[in-house]
Amino acid sequence: EADIYQTPRYLVIGTGKKITLECSQTMGHDKMYWYQQDPGMELHLIHYSYGVNSTEKGDLSSESTVSRIRTEHFPLTLESARPSHTSQYLCASSDMHEQFFGPGTRLTVL
Amino acid sequence: SQQGEEDPQALSIQEGENATMNCSYKTSINNLQWYRQNSGRGLVHLILIRSNEREKHSGRLRVTLDTSKKSSSLLITASRAADTASYFCATRSGGSNYKLTFGKGTLLTVNP
Repeated sequence: EADIYQTPRYLVIGTGKKITLECSQTMGHDKMYWYQQDPGMELHLIHYSYGVNSTEKGDLSSESTVSRIRTEHFPLTLESARPSHTSQYLCASSDMHEQFFGPGTRLTVL
Repeated sequence: SQQGEEDPQALSIQEGENATMNCSYKTSINNLQWYRQNSGRGLVHLILIRSNEREKHSGRLRVTLDTSKKSSSLLITASRAADTASYFCATRSGGSNYKLTFGKGTLLTVNP
């Protein structure tokens, strides 16, 4: 079944740890996105990719980095997590207009 | 800068009533989309309206677009408790830019 997956769903870690949030889609979409969303707030685009080996920073500055080595995989990495990184991270993919979202990763940095 | 602004921020109605949410944006768009988000989950696409369209229907959803006023509305008719969620409008400016800019959302609560 075509879908978009994110792991882990929940992550609680200590300050200074390196983390990678995984995102995979089986729809063959070229375009993929990472959003950051605080509770009850709007989504902010932090990274996007229009294809393999192509990544761009989004509208909201983020200390995270991304890679796109395979079409289906778009992981996000934080080298040294801080409490200010506590948020929900949503991954999405699209073909043309409509974006398909994963369930999100809720990150808490203590 | 914020592109979409939903109004109201929160709406509480009884089952069976209609719910109307509004969205305003600032710059010219290629299309406007509405998404739904259940608490703590990802977003689900509801409907897309192109800049040359004025109204679109999908089941119990009706979307209007007024490009002269840079505004859109989402109407949910005969609401159900299961419609309780946050609703976001998102705009795409067009060209080779496929990014969407989301508004702050309207939290809809439908009471049984």
